[in-house]
Amino acid sequence: AQKVTQAQTEISVVEKEDVTLDCVYETRDTTYYLFWYKQPPSGELVFLIRRNSFDEQNEISGRYSWNFQKSTSSFNFTITASQVVDSAVYFCALSEAPGNVNDYKLSFGAGTTVTVRA
Amino acid sequence: EAGVAQSPRYKIIEKRQSVAFWCNPISGHATLYWYQQILGQGPKLLIQFQNNGVVDDSQLPKDRFSAERLKGVDSTLKIQPAKLEDSAVYLCASSLAQVEQFFGPGTRLTVL
Repeated sequence: AQKVTQAQTEISVVEKEDVTLDCVYETRDTTYYLFWYKQPPSGELVFLIRRNSFDEQNEISGRYSWNFQKSTSSFNFTITASQVVDSAVYFCALSEAPGNVNDYKLSFGAGTTVTVRA
Repeated sequence: EAGVAQSPRYKIIEKRQSVAFWCNPISGHATLYWYQQILGQGPKLLIQFQNNGVVDDSQLPKDRFSAERLKGVDSTLKIQPAKLEDSAVYLCASSLAQVEQFFGPGTRLTVL
């Protein structure tokens, strides 16, 4: 069963519009971590944020904000006032707490391609 | 601090040929991962090393894929023989016994 679902395949917006990326996850663990990564055209995955399952506080970092809701198993990501440089593929990922602290593995969603037009 | 290095960045081969990819993790990072990312999909873990030992290779197609991490630093991933469906980006990542993984730029493989 897919552990991370990103239902939106592609989103296209005009510069300065807000864009929200949905992420729904599935796990039986009570301790887990959620991530968002950005993959620009250059191909490298860039870490954006990590959240543990015990911290449901929403977070804002510049134009980025994240909404974590355990009740709906969702970890959504909003880009405010989008810019052309935000054009990339965005991945949500889940890491379930391993028995061994060195054994973290990431399960990625399929990604959402964001295109910001000038 | 230098990031994760990978080479080559691009490789084109014919099916049934062999290919090898190289990864140099961030200095001091004990854990190293190889992921396969097929176009339009998220990365999928192939193998995970802790120092020079394999932690998880359950998703590695062992009939054609092999990986090693001699001396617990650099790693190579080999495909022999390659198939058309192996066309993908191969990403290497490393971590310092923490949750966060740092990714390299990837190697884009095209099998014709």
